[in-house]
Amino acid sequence: EPEVTQTPSHQVTQMGQEVILRCVPISNHLYFYWYRQILGQKVEFLVSFYNNEISEKSEIFDDQFSVERPDGSNFTLKIRSTKLEDSAMYFCASRTLREAPYNEQFFGPGTRLTVL
Amino acid sequence: AQSVSQHNHHVILSEAASLELGCNYSYGGTVNLFWYVQYPGQHLQLLLKYFSGDPLVKGIKGFEAEFIKSKFSFNLRKPSVQWSDTAEYFCAVIPGYSSASKIIFGSGTRLSIRP
Repeated sequence: EPEVTQTPSHQVTQMGQEVILRCVPISNHLYFYWYRQILGQKVEFLVSFYNNEISEKSEIFDDQFSVERPDGSNFTLKIRSTKLEDSAMYFCASRTLREAPYNEQFFGPGTRLTVL
Repeated sequence: AQSVSQHNHHVILSEAASLELGCNYSYGGTVNLFWYVQYPGQHLQLLLKYFSGDPLVKGIKGFEAEFIKSKFSFNLRKPSVQWSDTAEYFCAVIPGYSSASKIIFGSGTRLSIRP
């Protein structure tokens, strides 16, 4: 069964450093998402991406964040200058528009980001 | 504020007990409703979903949920839990106003099953 994959599973970085989290969505999916879950808190929507542009973003997704689909398979989340409060589990998700149920999103296993 | 509320933070049950986890949302209009489960060390998996039609939906592993529009609720139920149901359960909503179909999650309920 096709699945969303994410790398790395755990990333440790120093405050102020740039990080890139990588996701490979399911191959025929067209909508891509990033969510995050700070330890002990709820899963929060960050951004959605369709047709090579951001379609919706939350107030969390400020100028420090960017997303990109650099090729036909990868979907990346970049944090330019990490802060301590960026420490969280980051989940990628994808969905297809063509098949029902079109609103079902499939989640990757997550990348745990630790900012020291 | 618009939100998804899960009232039980941690539920502890014995095997074979019945389960009901509450979920309320505050979005008006059309909503799509979901329950996700996260087993220890694993990623989010969809348990069941409601888009339209019969408000009683059945999901995987014997779970079901009932959409009660008048109460803005979507409670999750299982008649007899097993130890393997130990996990975190998230209620989630896609509000109709979201063109990108972003998911709004509840805070989660941790379910612990005593063998």
